[in-house]
This record gives sequence, C-alpha cells and structure tokens, in this order.
Amino acid sequence: DQQVKQNSPSLSVQEGRISILNCDYTNSMFDYFLWYKKYPAEGPTFLISISSIKDKNEDGRFTVFLNKSAKHLSLHIVPSQPGDSAVYFCAASAGTGNQFYFGTGTSLTVIP
Amino acid sequence: GAGVSQSPSNKVTEKGKDVELRCDPISGHTALYWYRQRLGQGLEFLIYFQGNSAPDKSGLPSDRFSAERTGESVSTLTIQRTQQEDSAVYLCASSRQGTVRSNQPQHFGDGTRLSIL
Repeated sequence: DQQVKQNSPSLSVQEGRISILNCDYTNSMFDYFLWYKKYPAEGPTFLISISSIKDKNEDGRFTVFLNKSAKHLSLHIVPSQPGDSAVYFCAASAGTGNQFYFGTGTSLTVIP
Repeated sequence: GAGVSQSPSNKVTEKGKDVELRCDPISGHTALYWYRQRLGQGLEFLIYFQGNSAPDKSGLPSDRFSAERTGESVSTLTIQRTQQEDSAVYLCASSRQGTVRSNQPQHFGDGTRLSIL
C-alpha cells in the first residue's frame, strides 16, 4: 500500500519558470516531510523538509508547502534552472516509527 | 570520506547465489538505513540501525535478507539464494541521530545496482 504518492511521473518546465511538484499522502500520523533530489547513478540528496507544525518552509529557490487537511505537499522551484533536472522524491514519517515512506518520484526536465 | 560509501557499485550474479553489500556511513552518524529501489518504484525501507539498539527489521521482505552493523560503523546487507525479483538498486543512508525523532535528514550513498540473472 503506497502511503506516499507522486502521481506525476514526469514534468517539463521552461528555464526561468516555476516548477511545481506534488505529493499526496494517506497516513494522518505523518508529521515530518522531506524532498530529495536524485541524479542518475547517484543516491538521493536531501533538499528541504517541513514539520507538520508549519505550512511553509523556504530555502532559496525552493519552497515546500504543506496542506494537512488535504494531505498534500508541494515543492516549488523558482526560477527553474537546467541543473534542477533530476528525479524528485517526497518522503514522510510519523514520529512514532523509524521508517520514512517514499513516493515513486517525479522526473523534472528544465528546458533551456 | 565525506559521504556515505557503498560497495560494490554494481553486482551481477546468478540466481541462487548469495550476495553481500557493504555500506560505510558518515563518521559520527549513529543511524543507518537500508532501502531498495526497484525499477520505476519508490524507495522501499528494509532495515534501520540506531546505535546499539536492536535493529528495526520490519521492512525485510523475507528471511533470505539479513543485515549486520558493528557499532556505529560499517553495515553489510546479505541476500541469500538470490531471486530475479531481488534485482534492484540497494541504497544505504545514515544520519546523525534516529532520523524520525530528531528530524535529521538522511545522507544517501550512490547505491549498489544488483542484477540477478
């Protein structure tokens, strides 16, 4: 049972525009969320996180939004750059456990 | 080294053979995770080590899978009698503390790509 879902397997965006990657989850106990970026043949790299006590966290060009009532989070990248082209995974955890649950990833292509 | 190191980077073996995958975490990281990523799927949790506590093995898919960790250093993931469905990228990650409770992000290695013929 996939508790974290990324329903868009791919996304293409023009350089300079905003990229919006979406993630939905089903477990209302999740209270910590992360986004990872992955290049081919490399391990995922931590990008940004958000705790359930917040609804927004910003780090440079990257902003994560959390809508707890909708069980939805999104990653906004603005402006998008060609180097942002990668697979983006969202992940979630519940404070009572040891596991992180990952989505299946969205492949972002930023077109120069 | 500065990051999580995994070896081998690629492993091809015949069905039925045993394989051992190695992970060197970042020095000082007490928490260590193993994940599996099958083609087109997300990361699947396998096992979690935190210091000297009993590991959380709840993600291991069968008794053919086992993992060891000596103290806060190297970990090995062993798959016995490999099957074709074991083909995947096996990723190791470490973090400073028990990630979930301390909200510390995980740092991943580049993975071992395992192919079972």
